Amino acid sequence: EADIYQTPRYLVIGTGKKITLECSQTMGHDKMYWYQQDPGMELHLIHYSYGVNSTEKGDLSSESTVSRIRTEHFPLTLESARPSHTSQYLCASSGVKETQYFGPGTRLLVL
Amino acid sequence: GQQVMQIPQYQHVQEGEDFTTYCNSSTTLSNIQWYKQRPGGHPVFLIQLVKSGEVKKQKRLTFQFGEAKKNSSLHITATQTTDVGTYFCAGPYSSASKIIFGSGTRLSIRP
Repeated sequence: EADIYQTPRYLVIGTGKKITLECSQTMGHDKMYWYQQDPGMELHLIHYSYGVNSTEKGDLSSESTVSRIRTEHFPLTLESARPSHTSQYLCASSGVKETQYFGPGTRLLVL
Repeated sequence: GQQVMQIPQYQHVQEGEDFTTYCNSSTTLSNIQWYKQRPGGHPVFLIQLVKSGEVKKQKRLTFQFGEAKKNSSLHITATQTTDVGTYFCAGPYSSASKIIFGSGTRLSIRP
């Protein structure tokens, strides 16, 4: 079944650690996105990709980086986690109709 | 820059009452999308409107796209507890293949 997956679902980590949030989709979508969302608040676009080897920064300044080496995979990396990075991170993908399919999210807590 | 504004930010209603959220764009949109996010969940696509003046219904939900394609509304008739969540509108950002989300309307319901 076509879907979009995120791992881990929950992560508690200490300040200064390097982390990578994984996102994979099996729908063959070219476009993928990363959003940051605090509970009950707005969705902030932090990175997006039009396809393999294409990545762009979003509207919200972020200290994270992304890569798109394969169509189905769009990992997000924080080189040095800080408490201000505590949030929920949502990955999404879209096809030709531009409607977005979201993964279940990763809830990150940085101590 | 292009903005998508959504009002109200919060709405608390008695079960059985109607609910409406409004979305306004600073520019003409080629389409408008609506998403629902349950508490603790991720946004789920509800519908896409494309034509000027278009009205679509999904059971108790009625979606409208304005004649000028700059505003939209979502109306829920006779709310139920299952309607609880945050409703987001979203529109494509100029010519880029990314979506701008409204700030969302959080609906809570008194049983």
